[in-house]
Amino acid sequence: EVQLVQSGAEVKKPGESLVISCQASGYRFSSNWIGWVRQMPGKGLEWMGIIFPFDSDTRYSPSFQGQITISADKSISTVYLQWNSLKASDIAMYYCVVPTGGASWGQGTLVTVSS
Amino acid sequence: QSALTQPASVSGSPGQSITISCTGANSNLGNHNLVSWYQQHPGKAPKVMIYDVSERPSGVSNRFSGSKSGNTASLTISGLQAEDEADYYCCSYTGRDWVFGGGTKLTVL
Repeated sequence: EVQLVQSGAEVKKPGESLVISCQASGYRFSSNWIGWVRQMPGKGLEWMGIIFPFDSDTRYSPSFQGQITISADKSISTVYLQWNSLKASDIAMYYCVVPTGGASWGQGTLVTVSS
Repeated sequence: QSALTQPASVSGSPGQSITISCTGANSNLGNHNLVSWYQQHPGKAPKVMIYDVSERPSGVSNRFSGSKSGNTASLTISGLQAEDEADYYCCSYTGRDWVFGGGTKLTVL
């Protein structure tokens, strides 16, 4: 059974950096795309980007290009989502997702940005 | 503006059937069969109801079915139940990455 376990909720100030993580198990991590989805309060789902851990091929949605970094560590089957400078508009729930083979979702990580 | 277009809302009475459409383009729905549908109740993570256009994960009721014709995918829910009231999102592979529809709020009257 595929399991995606995300890191816990974060509270940060504007301008701070942040990395959240998602540890995968139950499938071949290296050979499946895994990505991140944003859901702002009261809004819909948005694909942010996706990575193929085998060769780190990473594709960002145009809205998020340059704003975030997605990376993966094959040795520990973990994918990361990184911000260098958070904004108030980054307040959202973030989900890691394996979109293929029936689709699997993490439990979500709530990011709050407030001064 | 999403690359996939869904109606903002649909409604139906218990026992009825409803269909939610998801319209895209040749670049996504038209050329790929990696289409999935997600149900999301308030405060909960999305749950996959349909994947690969028409496949149902184990544990999902057979009242849910999916189909695709050209650039439009559809989710049909038969025998509506109160618990089906939720937001529904379609999702498609684009050949490069994935994209969601804007979501449809289903109200069970």
